[in-house]
Amino acid sequence: DAGVIQSPRHEVTEMGQEVTLRCKPISGHNSLFWYRQTMMRGLELLIYFNNNVPIDDSGMPEDRFSAKMPNASFSTLKIQPSEPRDSAVYFCASSPDSGNTIYFGEGSWLTVV
Amino acid sequence: AQSVTQLGSHVSVSEGALVLLRCNYSSSVPPYLFWYVQYPNQGLQLLLKYTTGATLVKGINGFEAEFKKSETSFHLTKPSAHMSDAAEYFCAVSGEGYSTLTFGKGTMLLVSP
Repeated sequence: DAGVIQSPRHEVTEMGQEVTLRCKPISGHNSLFWYRQTMMRGLELLIYFNNNVPIDDSGMPEDRFSAKMPNASFSTLKIQPSEPRDSAVYFCASSPDSGNTIYFGEGSWLTVV
Repeated sequence: AQSVTQLGSHVSVSEGALVLLRCNYSSSVPPYLFWYVQYPNQGLQLLLKYTTGATLVKGINGFEAEFKKSETSFHLTKPSAHMSDAAEYFCAVSGEGYSTLTFGKGTMLLVSP
C-alpha cells in the first residue's frame, strides 16, 4: 500500500525564494497534518486539515507560511519568502480517523541558505 | 492542555539488554498514548498505541508499553535490545476531543555490541 508521499525529499534554496512542499495523503484518510522538525524545537504541528478544511493553523509560524488542500488527495505547504531559520524537516501525515492514528510521510528536508 | 515529558534525550544499552524509555504525560481528558520510532533520514513509524482497554500494549519489533494512570506514565520497554533498534523514539499524547498529537522531545536509543 502506498503511504503518505511527499515531494521534494530534499530542497536547497536561497533566502528570499519561494518554496512549495507537496503531499499526497493515504487514499481514504480524512485528516492531514503538516509538522516541522528541528533540533531545537522538536516536532511542531503547523496545521491540521479535516475533510480538506483547515481546522487548526495556530502552529503556522507567520504569514510567510501558507497551506492549502484543494482536494482529498493533495496538499501544499508554501513558504514565501524563505529564510534560513526555516531550514528543517517538514513532515506531512494523514489519518483515517481524525487523528486517532497518524501515518507520516518520509519528510522534506529543506535547507535555506 | 496536553504535554509529554520524555526523560533522557539519550539512552545507551548493550545488545541483549533491557530497553526502558520513559514517558510521562499530562492531559485534561483521558489520554490516547502513542510511541513512534524514527530511523535516520526517515519519517515516523507507529510502534504502538493505547486508547482504551488493556493497559499493557504490545507493538511491533517486540516493544510494549504499559499505561499507568496513577503515575501518568507510558514507558516503552523491550526485553532484549537489538542493534537494529538504534533510532529516535517519540512519545505522543492525544485524547477524546483532540484530533492532533502532542509529541515529546524524543529519546535517542543507542545500542552497543
